[in-house]
Amino acid sequence: AQKVTQAQTEISVVEKEDVTLDCVYETRDTTYYLFWYKQPPSGELVFLIRRNSFDEQNEISGRYSWNFQKSTSSFNFTITASQVVDSAVYFCALSEAILTGGGNKLTFGTGTQLKVEL
Amino acid sequence: NAGVTQTPKFRVLKTGQSMTLLCAQDMNHEYMYWYRQDPGMGLRLIHYSVGEGTTAKGEVPDGYNVSRLKKQNFLLGLESAAPSQTSVYFCASSPGTATSQPQHFGDGTRLSIL
Repeated sequence: AQKVTQAQTEISVVEKEDVTLDCVYETRDTTYYLFWYKQPPSGELVFLIRRNSFDEQNEISGRYSWNFQKSTSSFNFTITASQVVDSAVYFCALSEAILTGGGNKLTFGTGTQLKVEL
Repeated sequence: NAGVTQTPKFRVLKTGQSMTLLCAQDMNHEYMYWYRQDPGMGLRLIHYSVGEGTTAKGEVPDGYNVSRLKKQNFLLGLESAAPSQTSVYFCASSPGTATSQPQHFGDGTRLSIL
């Protein structure tokens, strides 16, 4: 069975600090996709990034960057120069195919609550 | 630009009551999903649908039923609500079968069962 572990339940930082959110996953699939979602206090889930298992290049989008290391089964997320608006719960998720009829199932980690304070 | 819309946003029920949560998507997505989110447990898949007229069980289906009579709508029903079903419910949709497809989520329905 697939599993996603986000060991950090809650992280508090001061604005402008850098912060890294950890994600470790388990899967037997050789091809898989990993995702990060953001859940701000308003409650909706916002898709941030997708990464496939063949592409280990780091990705940067503005203040966000992602480090995928297949050797350690990790897909960590770094926010540079954090801002108060980054305060949210961040979920890492692993996609697997649902054999019955198609579709894919997301296995979510338990989330990391990030609090950015002034 | 609605995307995935869930109705209602909040609801309080008494034990034993029934209700239906509605999910509507305007992206012509084939696949739709219902998840529940509980503290400390992430999101778990309840039921899903791979197309109009089809439904299938996820990992926590007990106590729920679903229907997909129209491609754009996916209904989640609670026949006899129980306090253990107090949760935040999220509907999601995706365009295809591949595991590469990100799922697009609605804003959630916060349901309390007293």
